[in-house]
Amino acid sequence: GAGVSQSPSNKVTEKGKDVELRCDPISGHTALYWYRQSLGQGLEFLIYFQGNSAPDKSGLPSDRFSAERTGGSVSTLTIQRTQQEDSAVYLCASSRSIQVGTEAFFGQGTRLTVV
Amino acid sequence: DAKTTQPPSMDCAEGRAANLPCNHSTISGNEYVYWYRQIHSQGPQYIIHGLKNNETNEMASLIITEDRKSSTLILPHATLRDTAVYYCIVRANAGGTSYGKLTFGQGTILTVHP
Repeated sequence: GAGVSQSPSNKVTEKGKDVELRCDPISGHTALYWYRQSLGQGLEFLIYFQGNSAPDKSGLPSDRFSAERTGGSVSTLTIQRTQQEDSAVYLCASSRSIQVGTEAFFGQGTRLTVV
Repeated sequence: DAKTTQPPSMDCAEGRAANLPCNHSTISGNEYVYWYRQIHSQGPQYIIHGLKNNETNEMASLIITEDRKSSTLILPHATLRDTAVYYCIVRANAGGTSYGKLTFGQGTILTVHP
């Protein structure tokens, strides 16, 4: 595709439910990142994938959060037993690699609201 | 631990140069300086990056001090559409804790006014 695509664009869920957020990176990009941004805050790194290497999960805030990337392309971020503090915009980005000089392109994000 | 310090906000008149400073006094030899910006309700957008030489592209110029402990992003002729949050990030090319991921701080809110 022309850019990074995220779906849904908005999601409202009840506390305690599980949610899945999808990211379609730019074709051919081997690196994929997930960030979240709470209202009025900066971006918080969650996880990144690079090719077939083990993902860097160092930013995942709890074991309720997980992500996978199938076939080196589409990624899904799953939040189990959602809490109100999970409400945020979840941003996905992709780049040709994680090497310096390769810029990351961000999607428009998924706005998650936990009620 | 964003490793960079930026002023929380700045103003600039339309048509004038906007000079956004960033301190990165603990930068390592293999770490690059990146700048991204985020316009309201959009995902961040890459602007420019550099190691030690000054860089220029169609969007901006990046001036890095000789000791690499600080840098300045210059938007030569700011427009109203440049109003955004500007993030200065250090990132390693290989190895180290900053390899691969972009760690965003709070950034500088730049407001360009008529």
